[in-house]
Amino acid sequence: EVQLLESGGGLVQPGGSLRLSCAASGFTFSNYAMRWVRQTPGKRLEWVAAISSSGANAYYVDSVSGRFTVSRDNSKNTLYLQMHSLRAEDTAIYYCAKGPSGSLDHWGQGTLVTVSS
Amino acid sequence: DVVMTQSPLSLPVTLGQPASISCRSSQSLVYTDGDTFLDWFQQRPGQSPRRLIYKVSNRDSGVPDRFSGSGSATDFTLKISRVEAEDVGIYYCMQGTHWPYTFGQGTKLEIK
Repeated sequence: EVQLLESGGGLVQPGGSLRLSCAASGFTFSNYAMRWVRQTPGKRLEWVAAISSSGANAYYVDSVSGRFTVSRDNSKNTLYLQMHSLRAEDTAIYYCAKGPSGSLDHWGQGTLVTVSS
Repeated sequence: DVVMTQSPLSLPVTLGQPASISCRSSQSLVYTDGDTFLDWFQQRPGQSPRRLIYKVSNRDSGVPDRFSGSGSATDFTLKISRVEAEDVGIYYCMQGTHWPYTFGQGTKLEIK
């Protein structure tokens, strides 16, 4: 059974940093591209970042480009999202997800990030 | 970015009755290989989103056959033939053809 378990969320001040992790199991992690998707308090869903199976290629939505970095450690079956210069509008539940190109077939349970002073 | 527009945003339905959600994209979702990357997700209260339908009309394993997807190019529909209590939640369409992939605003289905 595919399992994706996010951690690392919490309360952070504007301008601060946070690193999210996603521990994967139940599938061959190194074979799959992985993604981060967030859900705002208003329930809107937004792609944040994607990374290829090897980690060689990463993609970001414009609103986080230059502030967030997605990475992975295939030896640990873990996906990461390093977030810097956090803003109030980054407040959301962050999900990691897997799936074939153009889709998302499994989601984690999410981790809440709150940016507030 | 491709804008995905869902309607209605709120959908009150009587148990046992059909329901339909529309999703329109600002650009064609047909990819260069001929595939159309349009998915439907269900998010029950307190849960993560779950994929129901991929590539317009393919049901995921374990999804009841009362759910069906249809459409082409820029116009897509999710239909529930007979709504059950467990179908309450928010439904989202998502396009995976053009980066950045984008979601619709969500349609909240409730029981009348």
